[in-house]
Amino acid sequence: DGGITQSPKYLFRKEGQNVTLSCEQNLNHDAMYWYRQDPGQGLRLIYYSQIVNDFQKGDIAEGYSVSREKKESFPLTVTSAQKNPTAFYLCASSRGGRDEAFFGQGTRLTVV
Amino acid sequence: DQQVKQNSPSLSVQEGRISILNCDYTNSMFDYFLWYKKYPAEGPTFLISISSIKDKNEDGRFTVFLNKSAKHLSLHIVPSQPGDSAVYFCAASARWNTGTASKLTFGTGTRLQVTL
Repeated sequence: DGGITQSPKYLFRKEGQNVTLSCEQNLNHDAMYWYRQDPGQGLRLIYYSQIVNDFQKGDIAEGYSVSREKKESFPLTVTSAQKNPTAFYLCASSRGGRDEAFFGQGTRLTVV
Repeated sequence: DQQVKQNSPSLSVQEGRISILNCDYTNSMFDYFLWYKKYPAEGPTFLISISSIKDKNEDGRFTVFLNKSAKHLSLHIVPSQPGDSAVYFCAASARWNTGTASKLTFGTGTRLQVTL
């Protein structure tokens, strides 16, 4: 079954701790993305990657970091520098071009 | 600055009737538009898309209309069914300067409730 897997579904962390969200895809897609959704807002782009070992900042990259060492994996680290980390995080991938992005099920991060 | 706007946060439609969801955009560089459907605590799923070279695209009960001069697009669902109740996001993309991937800019979503 092809798809995008995000883990864990729910994550709790103490303020000041870094946390890494996992995203794996077996769709053989070149492009991968991380979005954040807050209540009443649309999805905002954090980081994206077009190919392995390459990634660019999206609209709200401050306080986040990513890596793309393998085509299948695009983990997102929420650092202690992110002022409002509590949110629903969505990972997506696409073949590129004008193909639609496929989304994972999301990770709800709560920082207490 | 919200480049993609969905001004109606919610919409209630009776089963069997037409649902019309609207979306406006400000960036004239956008040339590809998509609609996604999202249930709570799940990722969005792709519904339908349209390129700026077209003004209409149809897929079963779903039709998207694009009015480039007005920078407006709409999603029509006919007939509406209770299972269509979800949040619908409009998204737009412009070709990046380098590479081929599409960077999507999303609207804030419209919650559709289809009543019996």
